[in-house]
Amino acid sequence: DGGITQSPKYLFRKEGQNVTLSCEQNLNHDAMYWYRQDPGQGLRLIYYSQIVNDFQKGDIAEGYSVSREKKESFPLTVTSAQKNPTAFYLCASSTTGLGYDTQYFGPGTRLTVL
Amino acid sequence: GENVEQHPSTLSVQEGDSAVIKCTYSDSASNYFPWYKQELGKRPQLIIDIRSNVGEKKDQRIAVTLNKTAKHFSLHITETQPEDSAVYFCAASISGNQFYFGTGTSLTVIP
Repeated sequence: DGGITQSPKYLFRKEGQNVTLSCEQNLNHDAMYWYRQDPGQGLRLIYYSQIVNDFQKGDIAEGYSVSREKKESFPLTVTSAQKNPTAFYLCASSTTGLGYDTQYFGPGTRLTVL
Repeated sequence: GENVEQHPSTLSVQEGDSAVIKCTYSDSASNYFPWYKQELGKRPQLIIDIRSNVGEKKDQRIAVTLNKTAKHFSLHITETQPEDSAVYFCAASISGNQFYFGTGTSLTVIP
C-alpha cells in the first residue's frame, strides 16, 4: 500500500472554487479508483479507470471530473457544482480492475469547504 | 446497482471474546467479497476476502463465511485483541470491477 500516494493530506476550499486532488501510484496497476467517505455512509465510488485515457462514472460522479493521461496518475477535480464536497477522499488502485484483484488504498485527502 | 448492508454499526467486546460482523447484498451476480480494516486516521487495508465458489475461508484469527442462497456473508474474529479495534468494511463486486461497500462497523475491544 505504500505505492499509492495522495496529496495534499488536508485541503481547504472556499465555496465556488474548483480544487484538484492528486493520486499517484508506482505499482504498475492498470486500474485506479476514487471514493468518497462520509461518516456512517461507507465508501462510495466517484470514478474509476481501467486503462489510460478511459474512465467511467461511479454512483456519485456529479460535480466531479477526472483524467487519466498517465498510467501512474489519476487526479480528481472537485468542481463548484458539487453541492456538498466536504468529505474524506480515498484513491485506490488494482492490477487490472477485472477478476478478483485486491484494491490498495492511498492515505486519503480530507477536503473542507469553508 | 448492488446494495450492501452491514450490521452492527458499532460493536464492543471484551478482550479474548469473539466478534461477528454481518453483511447482506442484493445482486446475485456478485461473486467477490473482500473485508477491509481501517484504523483511525489510516487507509483501509484488505484483511480477508472470499469468492462465491467458496463457503468459508480462514486466516489465523479471522474467518469469513458466505451464504450465496441467503446473499449474506460474515466476518468472524476470534480471541480479540485491543489492536483489533478499528472500523471494518465489507464489500461486494461482480468480478472485481465496481466495488460496493457497506457502511462500516466500529469495533472496540475492551482490555
